[in-house]
Amino acid sequence: QVQLQESGPGLVKPSETMSLTCTVSGYSISSGYYWGWIRQPPGKGLEWIGSIYYRGGTDYNPSLKSRVSISLDMSKNQFSLKQSSVTAADTAVYYCARVRASLYYYMDAWGKGTTVTVSS
Amino acid sequence: EIVLTQSPGTLSLSPGERATLSCRASQSVSSMSLAWYQQKAGQAPRLLIYAASSRATGIPDRFSGSGSGTDFTLTISRLEPEDFAVYYCQQYGSPLFTFGPGTKVDIK
Repeated sequence: QVQLQESGPGLVKPSETMSLTCTVSGYSISSGYYWGWIRQPPGKGLEWIGSIYYRGGTDYNPSLKSRVSISLDMSKNQFSLKQSSVTAADTAVYYCARVRASLYYYMDAWGKGTTVTVSS
Repeated sequence: EIVLTQSPGTLSLSPGERATLSCRASQSVSSMSLAWYQQKAGQAPRLLIYAASSRATGIPDRFSGSGSGTDFTLTISRLEPEDFAVYYCQQYGSPLFTFGPGTKVDIK
């Protein structure tokens, strides 16, 4: 059974770059699927940030594309999110997920989420 | 970008009642790209339905999805205490996923 776990700093200063990592267990990320990040500001809904294909191609939300990048580390079975120039509006719970994005389109396994607060 | 609207915003029902949740898209979407999630307070979302009407692994059959084009529905035939939560619809329109604002199902 696939499991995902986010990790990273809970507090980031405005204008800095935030880095989060998702560690996957129970499934090799090199075997298939897309791997993605979704965030949820306090008391609000879900926003897809972007996804990376196991072969390396990426898709990003156009509203965030200029500030985000997602990468894979197959040796550690991890994928990561980097988001630059953060502001208070980036304060949210960040989830990583396994993404199906061919024929069917959904996220079938999620991490528990990690809270990121942007504040000086 | 396709915008999803969910109604009602809040649905107040009693255990055992039937819940009908609506998801409307601003333009036609492929049924293959329409999914529903359940989120309980403090937890990650859980996939319920994909391809508009297919139940995900382990999802009870009291959950069902239907619809096509711009109008989709999630039905919970008989509410169990554990079903009181927020429900989101999601669609994919290359190259991005978008979510609806959610419907909260709470106890009447």
